[in-house]
Formats: sequence, C-alpha cells, structure tokens
Amino acid sequence: KQEVTQIPAALSVPEGENLVLNCSFTDSAIYNLQWFRQDPGKGLTSLLLIQSSQREQTSGRLNASLDKSSGRSTLYIAASQPGDSATYLCAYDAGGTSYGKLTFGQGTILTVHP
Amino acid sequence: DTGVSQDPRHKITKRGQNVTFRCDPISEHNRLYWYRQTLGQGPEFLTYFQNEAQLEKSRLLSDRFSAERPKGSFSTLEIQRTEQGDSAMYLCASSKAQAGGLRYTFGSGTRLTVV
Repeated sequence: KQEVTQIPAALSVPEGENLVLNCSFTDSAIYNLQWFRQDPGKGLTSLLLIQSSQREQTSGRLNASLDKSSGRSTLYIAASQPGDSATYLCAYDAGGTSYGKLTFGQGTILTVHP
Repeated sequence: DTGVSQDPRHKITKRGQNVTFRCDPISEHNRLYWYRQTLGQGPEFLTYFQNEAQLEKSRLLSDRFSAERPKGSFSTLEIQRTEQGDSAMYLCASSKAQAGGLRYTFGSGTRLTVV
C-alpha cells in the first residue's frame, strides 16, 4: 500500500537550473512532513521540517511547501549544483499514537550535470 | 556529538544463519528507531524505543527479528534464520524533540546480503 508518492522518480538537469520535486500523501491528518537527502550507500540527512500548521520552510537554496488539504508537498531547489546530486525523500509523521514514526516515499533520484 | 554509529557497515551471510547489528545513538537522544530500506525504495519503519522500552513493532517484523536496547543506550537488531528476502540496508536513527516535531539523525546503515 503506497501512502507517499514522489514524482518524478528520477530527474537529470544541467547545473544552474531551478527544480521542483513533488511529494503526495494520502493521510492528510499529518503532524509534520520532512524532506531528507540520501547520498549513495549512506544514511539520511534531514533537510527541512514543516509543521502541519505551516505552509513553507526555507533553508539556503531549499524551499519546501506544504498543502495539507490537498496532500501535497514540494521541494524547490534553486540554482542547482552538482553537489546537490542525491536521492531526495519526503516523509510524514502522522502524530498521535504514531508520533515519531516516519512514513517515507520512494524518493526522487536527482542528478545535476556540470 | 559523534552522530549515530552502526556496526558492521556490511554483512554477507549464508541463508539460515543468524546475524546481529549494533547501533549507537547520539547520547542525549532518548528515542531510537530501526528502518529497513531495499533498493529503489524509501525506508520502512521496523521498530522504535523510547529509552529502554520498545514501544512499537511493525508488522514487517516477523518472529525471526528481535531488537533490544538495554539500559536505553545502544541497540541491537538480530535476525535469526536469515532468508534472501532479508537482504536490505538496515538503518538506525535517533531523535530529539524540537519545535514542530522530532529531529532525526540517521546512521550510515548496515547493508545485509543473504546468499
């Protein structure tokens, strides 16, 4: 049962482009949504956390938005760089009795060419 | 803060053998999680501890899997009678509370290959 869907599955862009990664989730009653980065063979690095009451969060060239009612989140990366190449994962925390348990999407593999 | 450490990084085992993985969380984090990740998929939740108490186990965890966190410090995940379907990356994470939710720190994982 797929609860979190990420589109596209893979993305290849030239350096300098602005890009958008999409995440949709079926459970609108989320507590928060997080975006992570995963480099090959490595663990996950937390990028941004958006509380359910918030619409967006920004960190440097990254901006994440959240529309809880429609079950969507986007991660915007400005002026992409080769060092941004990684897999980007979104995950939600449903809160309540499931507080702290993350449900992940399958990820978007991003390649930024020099 | 030395991060979350997992040992070993890689494990190759024959089907039917038992394996044990270790996770050392960040010392001030009271929650510890285990996730499993197969190729091309996102991590799937297995179980988590708050201090030494195991509070939830996923249906993914068959009775061949057991996890412990003695004294609320490091944790071990044991898989008995391994099967080829157990081949995956096993990720450990610990967390601390922050505004709006929990901040997670993941380890680099243990990659298990069952041959």
